[in-house]
Amino acid sequence: DTGVSQNPRHKITKRGQNVTFRCDPISEHNRLYWYRQTLGQGPEFLTYFQNEAQLEKSRLLSDRFSAERPKGSFSTLEIPRTEQGDSAMYLCASSLDIGQISNEQFFGPGTRLTVL
Amino acid sequence: GQQLNQSPQSMFIQEGEDVSMNCTSSSIFNTWLWYKQDPGEGPVLLIALYKAGELTSNGRLTAQFGITRKDSFLNISASIPSDVGIYFCAGQPWTGANNLFFGTGTRLTVIP
Repeated sequence: DTGVSQNPRHKITKRGQNVTFRCDPISEHNRLYWYRQTLGQGPEFLTYFQNEAQLEKSRLLSDRFSAERPKGSFSTLEIPRTEQGDSAMYLCASSLDIGQISNEQFFGPGTRLTVL
Repeated sequence: GQQLNQSPQSMFIQEGEDVSMNCTSSSIFNTWLWYKQDPGEGPVLLIALYKAGELTSNGRLTAQFGITRKDSFLNISASIPSDVGIYFCAGQPWTGANNLFFGTGTRLTVIP
């Protein structure tokens, strides 16, 4: 399968613990995005990478959160000291940086985080 | 942020019926996309639209980029049980933002 993959698929943690999620984009895609989705809502943008550079962050991306894409391939999203409000589905997407096609974002299956 | 309003919120239809749903925005978008999401999975891209007035098909799905650039429509013909899911519109605003803004979704139930 050459689509976007995310690990783990599910994470249950206690409040205050740290969690880290991984995203492997489609191999030739140089753009990578993180979104957050809560129940009954559409995905909301968190941050965007072009290769290894983090070019955009939304106000939704708490100062606690950190995302990296060190070699311009896979990316990690770390949430330290989790809070119950962090419970959500975290989605990763990638796209190819060629003209209009760069807007066609392909999503992974998501990581569902539950903070107890 | 950008507000995308989708309607209807949910639909219950008989297998074989056609379905229409739409998405409106208060501001201009330069790209519209339609996604389908199954429970516990990520959204799957169905159709991408780039020009005002553009009409694009993907099998039984047809989508249009509204002429005002503030709306888009998705039609599904001859629905089948596997069409069940949540359909999201998403758009990229004219301001050149790299992220997509998503609607709140239309939940489709197909009754066999």
